[in-house]
Parts: sequence; structure tokens; C-alpha cells
Amino acid sequence: DADVTQTPRNRITKTGKRIMLECSQTKGHDRMYWYRQDPGLGLQLIYYSFDVKDINKGEISDGYSVSRQAQAKFSLSLESAIPNQTALYFCATSDSGGQHEQFFGPGTRLTVL
Amino acid sequence: LAKTTQPISMDSYEGQEVNITCSHNNIATNDYITWYQQFPSQGPRFIIQGYKTKVTNEVASLFIPADRKSSTLSLPRVSLSDTAVYYCLVGASLGDMRFGAGTRLTVKP
Repeated sequence: DADVTQTPRNRITKTGKRIMLECSQTKGHDRMYWYRQDPGLGLQLIYYSFDVKDINKGEISDGYSVSRQAQAKFSLSLESAIPNQTALYFCATSDSGGQHEQFFGPGTRLTVL
Repeated sequence: LAKTTQPISMDSYEGQEVNITCSHNNIATNDYITWYQQFPSQGPRFIIQGYKTKVTNEVASLFIPADRKSSTLSLPRVSLSDTAVYYCLVGASLGDMRFGAGTRLTVKP
């Protein structure tokens, strides 16, 4: 089984709808991250959480919110989806040690019509 | 946050050594240098991390000069499966690090 899972893997929705993307991990890591990637570009950090009670904004948090329900679960919500939020979304985890290694999920491809 | 600059793309042939250089002129004392690899429609995968001098693992080597204002990822004897985008990240923690546009490496037969 995959260490970092994301659901759904693909989603098509309409402008104005509320969408939740979910991420679960079995690696026992404290830290979790949400990124978005637009075609041909690098990843942009949306939010990150260093533990259950710690949530931090990344580069592009506007229009997004997150919830860290447990150490293993980190959800990303789009309160009112808009077309320019169409992108590939990745969840990642890392431990709190010195190695800056993140483990990424398979991604969720979101299309907002 | 340290800004990084990498070539947009590079071409190579199977069996060659590939060196990708990243510039990070405003790197801070506590910053590490980390490289990731990404295949299409997959999440990035950690390759190597270093602070200074040289680091080597089973996949790559990372060369960092004394001033730490640049770093070079070296991939020995590349194969077609090494075709991917390579990202250089600089920061003291993962919350500080940013993925730039990366370097698109194409390995030809």
C-alpha cells in the first residue's frame, strides 16, 4: 500500500462549488504539505502543517483552507472553486528530522469548469 | 527566502554524465541545498541533500563550493529513464523551500 494517499485522484467540478481534497499518510510523519502544480511549472506551496495544532500559509493560500484532523490526515478545501484553480494538487509529508526529504502522494487532478 | 536559478532545459545522451548547476547567491547560513526529480504526472522524488563540499549517494553526487552560492547535481551515466524535471531547493526547513521551474532534462538514445 502507498504511504501517502490522496482522494479523489481526479475531479471535475463547476465554478462556485465547494471541494475537499483529502490526504492520508501511514509514514508516521509529523509534517504535511499541500502544493499545486500548473502545467509546465514548478510546485507552489499552499499550506503546511508541522503538527496537528500548527497550520501555516504558504505562497498561494488565498482561496484555499486546510484542516489537520489527525497526525495522519490533512485536507485541502476550495470554498468556492474558480477556473484558475484548475491544477494538479499534491500532498506531501516529512518527518521533523534534519533531512529535508518530502514524500509525495500521487496527486489529484482538479478541473474547474 | 533564497532564490534559485537553474537552466530551463538540457539535453544529453545515454551513458553520459550530466551536470545541472543551480545558482543561489543569497543562500543563508542555515540553509541546506536539496534536489528533487519529477516525472510527468507524478509527485517529486527526493534525490540528494547537502550543506557543503560533496555528497554522494547511489543515485547522484552533489557538489557545493566553499562560498555555497551555487551547487551542481551530477548524474553519472544517464539512461532514458532519467528524463525528468530536476528541481533545486534551498532553505533551512521545508516550509521555507520553494520549487522553481526546474530543469527539464531530456536523455536521447
